[in-house]
Amino acid sequence: DAKTTQPPSMDCAEGRAANLPCNHSTISGNEYVYWYRQIHSQGPQYIIHGLKNNETNEMASLIITEDRKSSTLILPHATLRDTAVYYCIVQDRFYNQGGKLIFGQGTELSVKP
Amino acid sequence: DVKVTQSSRYLVKRTGEKVFLECVQDMDHENMFWYRQDPGLGLRLIYFSYDVKMKEKGDIPEGYSVSREKKERFSLILESASTNQTSMYLCASASSGQGSNEQFFGPGTRLTVL
Repeated sequence: DAKTTQPPSMDCAEGRAANLPCNHSTISGNEYVYWYRQIHSQGPQYIIHGLKNNETNEMASLIITEDRKSSTLILPHATLRDTAVYYCIVQDRFYNQGGKLIFGQGTELSVKP
Repeated sequence: DVKVTQSSRYLVKRTGEKVFLECVQDMDHENMFWYRQDPGLGLRLIYFSYDVKMKEKGDIPEGYSVSREKKERFSLILESASTNQTSMYLCASASSGQGSNEQFFGPGTRLTVL
């Protein structure tokens, strides 16, 4: 079973920030939060991950609450090409074999002109 | 750039046929994975491998087998294809060890079994 809860869909205006929430209330101290996205008819693409500190890269920012029970992925200036399904996943940082990802249903983000 | 390639983008087979789906990665990753993706069910893990000749069952291994003879190649085998195996199949690879282990996905193979 997926360990995360996300809204099924969201809309965002082009050029505005897209804030995608994720609840992971049962996360353990050893687990990272990962975000992937899947554009239609393509394989999933890694976006960002974090353990307890906020993270930023060229694609997005990840804000993790202090209690680590929830997080928000921020796309600062959404474009039409950001329309995709976004998956929030928790994964044990200490795995050394396998380390399978458990994908939930994700959030379908629609960026509108 | 990491590249994960899959042998076919689209494949049509008949019920009962033996089907091979091939996946190759060029980043010397230890871990490789096969998922299937179906509407309303999301991605589900079929098998994974953490080393050459090693394999582990995922959540839905029934009807499938895998082969990992070389580090860069991970094959998914449908011994006798059935219509309920019509799906999008996705291969992924990742490095092993502690810390971040993002998975890199191939473009997918859309298999139709008639």
